[in-house]
Amino acid sequence: GQQVMQIPQYQHVQEGEDFTTYCNSSTTLSNIQWYKQRPGGHPVFLIQLVKSGEVKKQKRLTFQFGEAKKNSSLHITATQTTDVGTYFCAGGTGNQFYFGTGTSLTVIP
Amino acid sequence: DAGVTQSPTHLIKTRGQQVTLRCSPKSGHDTVSWYQQALGQGPQFIFQYYEEEERQRGNFPDRFSGHQFPNYSSELNVNALLLGDSALYLCASSLGYRGYGYTFGSGTRLTVV
Repeated sequence: GQQVMQIPQYQHVQEGEDFTTYCNSSTTLSNIQWYKQRPGGHPVFLIQLVKSGEVKKQKRLTFQFGEAKKNSSLHITATQTTDVGTYFCAGGTGNQFYFGTGTSLTVIP
Repeated sequence: DAGVTQSPTHLIKTRGQQVTLRCSPKSGHDTVSWYQQALGQGPQFIFQYYEEEERQRGNFPDRFSGHQFPNYSSELNVNALLLGDSALYLCASSLGYRGYGYTFGSGTRLTVV
């Protein structure tokens, strides 16, 4: 069945350092979404990528969709304490989205 | 503009009992998806409702059933509760079943004892 894996599972960074999480699917995706979940909260939609090789930016966040549409990455430049949380990718096939295992980011001030 | 509303926020049930969770989608949204999130895990897709029909279903047993009403609100029913059903149950709404991004509710924390 559909599997979406993320690495790393946990990441601790000093405030100001960069952070990257990678998402890999066992099958080709039609699109991919990224969500952020704060501790004790619910997932909040960040962005959706649809096209092969697509790159989108939101301020300090850069999202990439792989050429084969089987992987994606989220890069945060100069992390801040407000970036703390778990980042999930969700791979879409048809009208279902399969969430990845998540990367928990801790930012040390 | 109301977001996704879920009720109740917390629930404690005994093994073998039945539970009903409720979800009102974001204003303007017509599709509701349900997810189960165990502690430390990513949300797992249960099923999706659109036009009052179950459109897609994840790998969950028949003990999990649902319904969507004409006003787009939805219910998730779980029968014969098991200890392993303890989790955060999230409802997500979108416009159309291929909608751009889901809006999640705050979830219902179900504890089975």
